[in-house]
Amino acid sequence: AQSVTQPDIHITVSEGASLELRCNYSYGATPYLFWYVQSPGQGLQLLLKYFSGDTLVQGIKGFEAEFKRSQSSFNLRKPSVHWSDAAEYFCAVGGKSYSSASKIIFGSGTRLSIRP
Amino acid sequence: EADIYQTPRYLVIGTGKKITLECSQTMGHDKMYWYQQDPGMELHLIHYSYGVNSTEKGDLSSESTVSRIRTEHFPLTLESARPSHTSQYLCASSEVRDPLNTEAFFGQGTRLTVV
Repeated sequence: AQSVTQPDIHITVSEGASLELRCNYSYGATPYLFWYVQSPGQGLQLLLKYFSGDTLVQGIKGFEAEFKRSQSSFNLRKPSVHWSDAAEYFCAVGGKSYSSASKIIFGSGTRLSIRP
Repeated sequence: EADIYQTPRYLVIGTGKKITLECSQTMGHDKMYWYQQDPGMELHLIHYSYGVNSTEKGDLSSESTVSRIRTEHFPLTLESARPSHTSQYLCASSEVRDPLNTEAFFGQGTRLTVV
């Protein structure tokens, strides 16, 4: 079955510190993986995505994520966080787009707070 | 910037009323989704569609219904609203034919409160 696990419900880091948000997935085939960010009262914005090729992908706002097939993980990282990064972060997994059965499933989210 | 729109943004309505949440996209996407999200909680897929006249129930059971008569339009209807339907509803769409662009684009959401 298709599933996504984000083990950390809430993380607080100091401004300027590094960040890593964890994501583990379960998927029967080669997954397409995504990280989204959601500000309060807003929809979701795509940060980055992985389909194939280089396992380290770069996204917007200075974020990157690394796909590790052996660990079924797709952790999100940022070397130095800014106060504006405080938000809810969602990891998601989907399959080949042209498959009618393919859906995008989201993890439970990780709330990021920034300590001044 | 994504061209997917949800109306209304906020809705407060009485128990027993029929409501329809609107979702439209101008990107020509074949796939569309409805997610339900309680405050501070995960997104649950309640409906999706992979084209006109196709709809499927998602992973979370919902009393709502959807229709897909036109590619760009994917409304969600509650025949009789109850307080347990209070939540945020997020609509999204995604491409089908291009495997490099399968990400979902989201609307701003509709926050529904049933009193």
